[in-house]
Amino acid sequence: DVKVTQSSRYLVKRTGEKVFLECVQDMDHENMFWYRQDPGLGLRLIYFSYDVKMKEKGDIPEGYSVSREKKERFSLILESASTNQTSMYLCASSPSGDTEAFFGQGTRLTVV
Amino acid sequence: GENVEQHPSTLSVQEGDSAVIKCTYSDSASNYFPWYKQELGKGPQLIIDIRSNVGEKKDQRIAVTLNKTAKHFSLHITETQPEDSAVYFCPRGYNKLIFGAGTRLAVHP
Repeated sequence: DVKVTQSSRYLVKRTGEKVFLECVQDMDHENMFWYRQDPGLGLRLIYFSYDVKMKEKGDIPEGYSVSREKKERFSLILESASTNQTSMYLCASSPSGDTEAFFGQGTRLTVV
Repeated sequence: GENVEQHPSTLSVQEGDSAVIKCTYSDSASNYFPWYKQELGKGPQLIIDIRSNVGEKKDQRIAVTLNKTAKHFSLHITETQPEDSAVYFCPRGYNKLIFGAGTRLAVHP
C-alpha cells in the first residue's frame, strides 16, 4: 500500500522558532511536494523536488526552505516561524511527472 | 507557468442531481488530466484521470471529458450522494504540480 507519512498531525510553535516538518514516502517516488492549505485559497505549492538533492521553488517559497538528502524524505523548514505561517501543511509524492500524486495526512501548524 | 481556473468555486446540489465542474488551463505541456477529491480532514485523493489521446473516461458515477482545442476538461458526477460532498481539484503541471483553489461541492439530502 502506498504511504506518505508526515511526522506530526498537530504542532504548536512560538514566533521566531526554527520549525522542521518531515515527510517520508515508502514508494521510491522521484517527485515530492510541500503545499500549504488555507481557507478559500486551495493548495499552494511551496517547494518541490524531482530528485535527491534537487529542489525547485513553488509559488510561495518565501520564509521556507527544504531539504532532500535521501530519496524517501523531504523536509520543510521554517527558518523563523511567524504567525502568518499558521496553516495546514500537506506533503505529497509521485513516481514522476504526469502521474498520480499521493498525499500525507497533513500537519496543522499553529505559530503563537 | 501553469494557470488553473475552476468553475464554479462552490456548487450546491440536491441528492440525486448531477454536478459538473469545469477546469480551464493555460499550459499544454502536460498530457495528463486528473481530478482529485479532498474530504474533510484528509489529503486530496485521485478519483479519475484521463490522458490527452482520449476524449472521455467513465468510472461508475463519475466521468471526465477533455476538450484540448478549448483547453478545458470537466468532471461529471451523476446521481450525487451526500458522500460526494468534498472539495475537488484539477491540478496541472508536469513536475511542478499546481492545484489551485478547488471547487467545494455540497450535496444536500
